[in-house]
Amino acid sequence: DAGVTQSPTHLIKTRGQQVTLRCSPKSGHDTVSWYQQALGQGPQFIFQYYEEEERQRGNFPDRFSGHQFPNYSSELNVNALLLGDSALYLCASSLDRGWDTIYFGEGSWLTVV
Amino acid sequence: AQKITQTQPGMFVQEKEAVTLDCTYDTSDPSYGLFWYKQPSSGEMIFLIYQGSYDQQNATEGRYSLNFQKARKSANLVISASQLGDSAMYFCAMREGYYGGSQGNLIFGKGTKLSVKP
Repeated sequence: DAGVTQSPTHLIKTRGQQVTLRCSPKSGHDTVSWYQQALGQGPQFIFQYYEEEERQRGNFPDRFSGHQFPNYSSELNVNALLLGDSALYLCASSLDRGWDTIYFGEGSWLTVV
Repeated sequence: AQKITQTQPGMFVQEKEAVTLDCTYDTSDPSYGLFWYKQPSSGEMIFLIYQGSYDQQNATEGRYSLNFQKARKSANLVISASQLGDSAMYFCAMREGYYGGSQGNLIFGKGTKLSVKP
């Protein structure tokens, strides 16, 4: 049973560029959430997708956008990258009705130079 | 105000001994869930244990147990018989509210770095 998979694992981008991160949820899960984890901090919620729609959003600017596909996989897009966007981006998958089932992927390490 | 507080930035424990990692939370929602995750240096957030606000008994998963004291709003993680591989960051997280089918997102503490000494 495949867990949550994310790609790419590491990437380096230049300020002003755009980046797309990808996530495939755990088999059977229908809800995908994205988190940003800056160095030395706990993860911060970006947004959540369910049934291909953004259902909840944290305190992040519109430069952060996403998408969920019919197979439940998801993308996180960040436009006009800033140095402060350098972080570990974590994808979490869960069941809409699964109160206690939230699993994370290995994350994508983004460095903005 | 912080919703999840982990007061121990770093902890040391001797191999094979037990260790308790502290977590207090703040919510007015009667329905919530508490999670503990382990994060090695590789970055992956590994689920350890879950406790629901209405659960009568403390959760246990192998060497992990959650000391849930609802009146004190604490959810401490106890790791028994520590192993060298337990060295990692540990995060406490809370999920609030599950009304109308809407999932609450996870709110994390700042984490505790556990180091297991041989």
